[in-house]
Amino acid sequence: QKEVEQNSGPLSVPEGAIASLNCTYSDRGSQSFFWYRQYSGKSPELIMSIYSNGDKEDGRFTAQLNKASQYVSLLIRDSQPSDSATYLCAVPYMEYGNKLVFGAGTILRVKS
Amino acid sequence: EPEVTQTPSHQVTQMGQEVILRCVPISNHLYFYWYRQILGQKVEFLVSFYNNEISEKSEIFDDQFSVERPDGSNFTLKIRSTKLEDSAMYFCASKARVLTGELFFGEGSRLTVL
Repeated sequence: QKEVEQNSGPLSVPEGAIASLNCTYSDRGSQSFFWYRQYSGKSPELIMSIYSNGDKEDGRFTAQLNKASQYVSLLIRDSQPSDSATYLCAVPYMEYGNKLVFGAGTILRVKS
Repeated sequence: EPEVTQTPSHQVTQMGQEVILRCVPISNHLYFYWYRQILGQKVEFLVSFYNNEISEKSEIFDDQFSVERPDGSNFTLKIRSTKLEDSAMYFCASKARVLTGELFFGEGSRLTVL
């Protein structure tokens, strides 16, 4: 069974702090990795994609990928209360026709 | 900005009834998906659709489920005889490219089976 693993949290950080969210995956053949944000009762919203080892920055968000360790992370700088949501890591599994497999998500709470 | 649209946003039905959930994917996208999320659980893959046929389906997608692209824009999910355990949010999603394309989701259709 191909898995995408995340700590369920909740991860609580004070406003202005850096939130660090982590994800591991089991398919060594995966070539692309995605982070989605999901507010309660809403649909997943794509916030970051990363395809190469290293860091990718977009505003307050930085995605980090280490294919050798099968590890991808998301850093949120200057966390805001509006960042409070569930963050879903998603990885396409080549074996399954490249369908996107989601982790269970990490709940992030940013306290003002 | 192009978006995936879904209707209805919420449907309540009696067990055993048929339900059709509708989706309009982003216009230049070629790959279409249905996912579902039971309250408090993971987003789960149901089915993928390309070139007017199912390309892959999960164990959840049994004979009670079907998908169709009746015209050039709509993509539907039909549940023939709903069960209590079909109560969930159903998300339609689409992408432009199969390998690295980013998957974009609609707002979802909440199905409540009584």
